[in-house]
Amino acid sequence: AQSVTQPDIHITVSEGASLELRCNYSYGATPYLFWYVQSPGQGLQLLLKYFSGDTLVQGIKGFEAEFKRSQSSFNLRKPSVHWSDAAEYFCAVGISNFGNEKLTFGTGTRLTIIP
Amino acid sequence: EAEVAQSPRYKITEKSQAVAFWCDPISGHATLYWYRQILGQGPELLVQFQDESVVDDSQLPKDRFSAERLKGVDSTLKIQPAELGDSAMYLCASSFKGHEQFFGPGTRLTVL
Repeated sequence: AQSVTQPDIHITVSEGASLELRCNYSYGATPYLFWYVQSPGQGLQLLLKYFSGDTLVQGIKGFEAEFKRSQSSFNLRKPSVHWSDAAEYFCAVGISNFGNEKLTFGTGTRLTIIP
Repeated sequence: EAEVAQSPRYKITEKSQAVAFWCDPISGHATLYWYRQILGQGPELLVQFQDESVVDDSQLPKDRFSAERLKGVDSTLKIQPAELGDSAMYLCASSFKGHEQFFGPGTRLTVL
């Protein structure tokens, strides 16, 4: 069965500093990988996704992620964070389930931004 | 921009009571998902519909949870009776023949 590990429960970053959130997955085949962001009390918004091809994926809000098969990782990065980036970030692996994706989520990383 | 609608946004109930949550997916999205998100964890799939049919309810506690999507559009998730451990955020998502799932704002359930 597939699984996702987000080793950092909570990260604090200064506004304007760079950010990297870690994600490791376990899946036997080539995975579909996703990063979602969740603001307090809200649903999830898709930041970016990887299906195949270029291993560096660009997303919304200036985020990018790099798929590294050898490390089973899909880390999320942003060169300069803004206060509005404070939220919970979830990495997910998807497998085809009756023609659609069945997502397995990690436990999330809470991002705090300090001035 | 089309969005997934959910109601109510917040629900407080006492244990042993019945509760129901409603979801209206994005128009044209044939696939609908219900997730449960316990505080501090990622969402966990409870049930997946393709049109009006359940295609995956392997993680749905069927002794107390039920879900329906009678006309293949909106959906209702019910819990009867509610237990303290059911306190969580219940998220609905929809997708159209593909990989991207669009999530609603969720219903925050508190069981006292």
